[in-house]
Amino acid sequence: KAGVTQTPRYLIKTRGQQVTLSCSPISGHRSVSWYQQTPGQGLQFLFEYFSETQRNKGNFPGRFSGRQFSNSRSEMNVSTLELGDSALYLCASSGTPQEDSPLHFGNGTRLTVT
Amino acid sequence: GEDVEQSLFLSVREGDSSVINCTYTDSSSTYLYWYKQEPGAGLQLLTYIFSNMDMKQDQRLTVLLNKKDKHLSLRIADTQTGDSAIYFCAERPGGSYIPTFGRGTSLIVHP
Repeated sequence: KAGVTQTPRYLIKTRGQQVTLSCSPISGHRSVSWYQQTPGQGLQFLFEYFSETQRNKGNFPGRFSGRQFSNSRSEMNVSTLELGDSALYLCASSGTPQEDSPLHFGNGTRLTVT
Repeated sequence: GEDVEQSLFLSVREGDSSVINCTYTDSSSTYLYWYKQEPGAGLQLLTYIFSNMDMKQDQRLTVLLNKKDKHLSLRIADTQTGDSAIYFCAERPGGSYIPTFGRGTSLIVHP
C-alpha cells in the first residue's frame, strides 16, 4: 500500500504570497490531519478533516485554511505568507477518526518564506 | 507547561540499549505512541500502546507504561547507528482524535 504522499516536497515563496500544499492519504483512509513543525514550537496541530468536513482546528490564524475532497485528498492553503510560516508541513492520515487508529505521516512539504 | 515532556538528547554507544523517556499529564489518555523521524523525512509510526497495557514488545522495541506516574518509555535493544533519529512520544486524550506530541528526543548512536 502506498503511504501518505505530499506535494511538493520543497517550496520557496516570498512574504505576502499565498501557497497551496497537497496531501494524498493512504488508500482507504478517510481522516487527514495537518501539522506544522518548527524547531522552536515542535509539532503544532493545524486541522483535521473527515468526510470533507473540518472536525478539529488548532490555534492558528485564519490565514491557514484547508479542505478535503470526496476522494479524501486534502489541501491546505496559507495566504499572506509571513517569515514565521517557514516550516515543515506534515500531513497524516488515519483509517477513521477513532482512538485506536494511529496517524501515518507523509514526508512533508518544506516551506521557506523569504 | 507542556502536556508531553521528553528530554532533548540521548547519546549511546552502538550495541548498547537506549531508553527514551516521556511523561504526560492527561490521565484520560487512551493511546500512547512512539514515532521516529529521520532527517528530511516525516514521522514514522514505531509502535503504540493502549492505556490498559503496561508493556508491549516488538522485536528490538519494548514500550513500558506506568499509568499511575503517567510515564512512558521506549527501550531499543542492541542500538545501531541506523537508529540515530528524533523520537517523538505522543498521547491521545480520551474523547479526542488529536494526539499531542512531545518535542522529541534526539538519539545519537556512537560507533
